[in-house]
Amino acid sequence: GESVGLHLPTLSVQEGDNSIINCAYSNSASDYFIWYKQESGKGPQFIIDIRSNMDKRQGQRVTVLLNKTVKHLSLQIAATQPGDSAVYFCAESPTGTYKYIFGTGTRLKVLA
Amino acid sequence: DSGVTQTPKHLITATGQRVTLRCSPRSGDLSVYWYQQSLDQGLQFLIQYYNGEERAKGNILERFSAQQFPDLHSELNLSSLELGDSALYFCASSVGGTSRGSDTQYFGPGTRLTVL
Repeated sequence: GESVGLHLPTLSVQEGDNSIINCAYSNSASDYFIWYKQESGKGPQFIIDIRSNMDKRQGQRVTVLLNKTVKHLSLQIAATQPGDSAVYFCAESPTGTYKYIFGTGTRLKVLA
Repeated sequence: DSGVTQTPKHLITATGQRVTLRCSPRSGDLSVYWYQQSLDQGLQFLIQYYNGEERAKGNILERFSAQQFPDLHSELNLSSLELGDSALYFCASSVGGTSRGSDTQYFGPGTRLTVL
């Protein structure tokens, strides 16, 4: 498969444990944030999003937390499974624009 | 399968050449986005079209251009190619509209461009 970002930070997690992936975003004027998952050889896949008027949003096995004070976003994955192994990207969109700025990504490795 | 199709899957060309990448959005989607993904730059937003009109521009070089046709498919044209243009190029589509908060982007499988 494709190799994206050979020097990405890597998070190794035991199967069944919870994973926390962090992202520092750059623009204090961003008001919309998205997490994507990219498996080897595939395009990014939407996981969950959050608007800046929220601090937390939950999906199925995933939770996104937003801390606007320190411009920090995190993705929590509960009961991590082997199928969660992928590169995870956060993206921000500045207010009033349709532009998207992506973070560098974090590689999640799930250990059996 | 996201429903977004991109052709070709792979493209190998020489410096100075021009290529065209094609994207067909999901049925019913009016917005198309183009992204470049390279090893040293990560995923870069290039440009967005909504219903045939340019809506947002990101880090797109002047040597690159795009358009969205009446049937909503889109093409990304890359000219005067340089070695550094070698990358994965993704197209994504979404329903569009004015609300970003509920406008999930669906990505295609990408076109891998290699410039020799």
